[in-house]
Amino acid sequence: GAGVSQTPSNKVTEKGKYVELRCDPISGHTALYWYRQSLGQGPEFLIYFQGTGAADDSGLPNDRFFAVRPEGSVSTLKIQRTERGDSAVYLCASRLAANTEAFFGQGTRLTVV
Amino acid sequence: KNEVEQSPQNLTAQEGEFITINCSYSVGISALHWLQQHPGGGIVSLFMLSSGKKKHGRLIATINIQEKHSSLHITASHPRDSAVYICAVSHGGTGNQFYFGTGTSLTVIP
Repeated sequence: GAGVSQTPSNKVTEKGKYVELRCDPISGHTALYWYRQSLGQGPEFLIYFQGTGAADDSGLPNDRFFAVRPEGSVSTLKIQRTERGDSAVYLCASRLAANTEAFFGQGTRLTVV
Repeated sequence: KNEVEQSPQNLTAQEGEFITINCSYSVGISALHWLQQHPGGGIVSLFMLSSGKKKHGRLIATINIQEKHSSLHITASHPRDSAVYICAVSHGGTGNQFYFGTGTSLTVIP
């Protein structure tokens, strides 16, 4: 595609439910990142994929968060047993390589009620 | 304490004014990035800097590595420049991920 695509754009879920957020990066970009942006804050790093593998998952807040990228393109961020504090905009970015310009998606706004 | 600090947090300007947004960081970096975020929208990369100065249209970004400081300038500001401007740094390493400032919210009034 022409840019990084994230779906859904908005997701409202009940506390305790499971959610999946999808990121479709720019074709050919091997580096993929997930960030989380809370209201009034700058984004915070969650996880980095190089190809299919999670090369750095040090930003995941706890074991309720998990992400996959099975074929090295589309990535899914999975959140189990959602909590109200998980409400944020989840941003995905991709890069041709880790030292090149980053391209961001529009984000998924997650609201846990 | 956030390793990337921006000032001001909020800025209102009249159309046509020259605008400066500042960014300071506390550790060594491989690159500094200026990003633009519109309400409800995604983030667009404006500049990636490791030294000196870059210019794109009415936007100018400078960096002083010794002082760990960068500035983003907007000349002849326009209402369509209204957005949040975010400074982010990367340190190299495994993923070279970004560490973001909290952003500067700019409003340009016609």
